Amino acid sequence: LAKTTQPISMDSYEGQEVNITCSHNNIATNDYITWYQQFPSQGPRFIIQGYKTKVTNEVASLFIPADRKSSTLSLPRVSLSDTAVYYCLVGDGRDDKIIFGKGTRLHILP
Amino acid sequence: GAVVSQHPSRVICKSGTSVKIECRSLDFQATTMFWYRQFPKQSLMLMATSNEGSKATYEQGVEKDKFLINHASLTLSTLTVTSAHPEDSSFYICSARAPGQGATGELFFGEGSRLTVL
Repeated sequence: LAKTTQPISMDSYEGQEVNITCSHNNIATNDYITWYQQFPSQGPRFIIQGYKTKVTNEVASLFIPADRKSSTLSLPRVSLSDTAVYYCLVGDGRDDKIIFGKGTRLHILP
Repeated sequence: GAVVSQHPSRVICKSGTSVKIECRSLDFQATTMFWYRQFPKQSLMLMATSNEGSKATYEQGVEKDKFLINHASLTLSTLTVTSAHPEDSSFYICSARAPGQGATGELFFGEGSRLTVL
């Protein structure tokens, strides 16, 4: 199972674009990259998932370079409610265990 | 998306008692569920992988006799903390993969259960 590395914490201001990068040097051919968001005292929730290039949905974009050894979660125009911990995971549906890294604690300031 | 529900969301118990936490997949069948615990300001730590109809696979350092996991049906897995002690106080979270997500591995998480042992 590929290991991921993210910044421990980030601060930003409301209305800014926030980019959180995740390194996954040992990503396997069949692995997808998935980002989750977790608020205090809640279970994580899915944000976005991708395999290569760029994926965009209503809440975020995910940029994946050709070598797939890293990925960047982009949150456009953040608000205070985006303050949370963001986790990057890599793997496929055959993984018999899902290991979380330390995640990135994002703090949005007014 | 698929829904996973946990119950209870909060539980307080006395030291030495046992507590059961239920994890249900409401709109899909989950052959595999994962149980995590999370301490304040820390990441999720995988405790065990629960497979329907078979024994759970526990991570190193997790006592299988203390954290009993039962996955008797495709929609229900339970975690029982036996003879709970204050150090077992934590946030317990379950997750499952939905059918059709096999290739991508997307997980759906329960709301979590906060256990406080007095």
